[in-house]
Amino acid sequence: DAKTTQPNSMESNEEEPVHLPCNHSTISGTDYIHWYRQLPSQGPEYVIHGLTSNVNNRMASLAIAEDRKSSTLILHRATLRDAAVYYCILRDAVPNAGTASKLTFGTGTRLQVTL
Amino acid sequence: KAGVTQTPRYLIKTRGQQVTLSCSPISGHRSVSWYQQTPGQGLQFLFEYFSETQRNKGNFPGRFSGRQFSNSRSEMNVSTLELGDSALYLCASSLGTGVMNTEAFFGQGTRLTVV
Repeated sequence: DAKTTQPNSMESNEEEPVHLPCNHSTISGTDYIHWYRQLPSQGPEYVIHGLTSNVNNRMASLAIAEDRKSSTLILHRATLRDAAVYYCILRDAVPNAGTASKLTFGTGTRLQVTL
Repeated sequence: KAGVTQTPRYLIKTRGQQVTLSCSPISGHRSVSWYQQTPGQGLQFLFEYFSETQRNKGNFPGRFSGRQFSNSRSEMNVSTLELGDSALYLCASSLGTGVMNTEAFFGQGTRLTVV
């Protein structure tokens, strides 16, 4: 599986934007970039995913570099509830319908949000 | 709609015993995956089931096994427990109908302690 590299930890002030980087220099043409986060004492939670174009949803935005070797998860206004470990994951494209593919988690970035 | 349900939430077992963990996926989801989370190794993929068939398997010994029933509910079994099997075991369900629909929904996990 292609690997991702993320900073171990980041800090942010509440109400400010947060940019969480991820490097994936060995990404293949059919790998999707997924982001999950894990809040304390909970299972991981899907945040967003994309292939080539930037993506937005109610939780966050995903900015993907033109060469796809890096991406950035953007939380527009961090809150205390966003304190979590954020995982950037490359997910094999599935050649046919009928099955999901595994998630290969790295160590993630622990985001601390302070008042 | 109800989320992914894992039972039991907490379990204490003795070395050498076996254990069975249960996962009920979201209604309509046909793919169930299992993960092990430890402080040292992080989140690691165990196996994935779709339509009662194991589709993918991680790098774990044969003591770890699983199955899926016709209603998509899944169980995983660990035999001859070792101290190192102490971990949070997470189950994730997804539609399994193609890469665009493979957002995984995680349960809160079963915390297994082996003494």
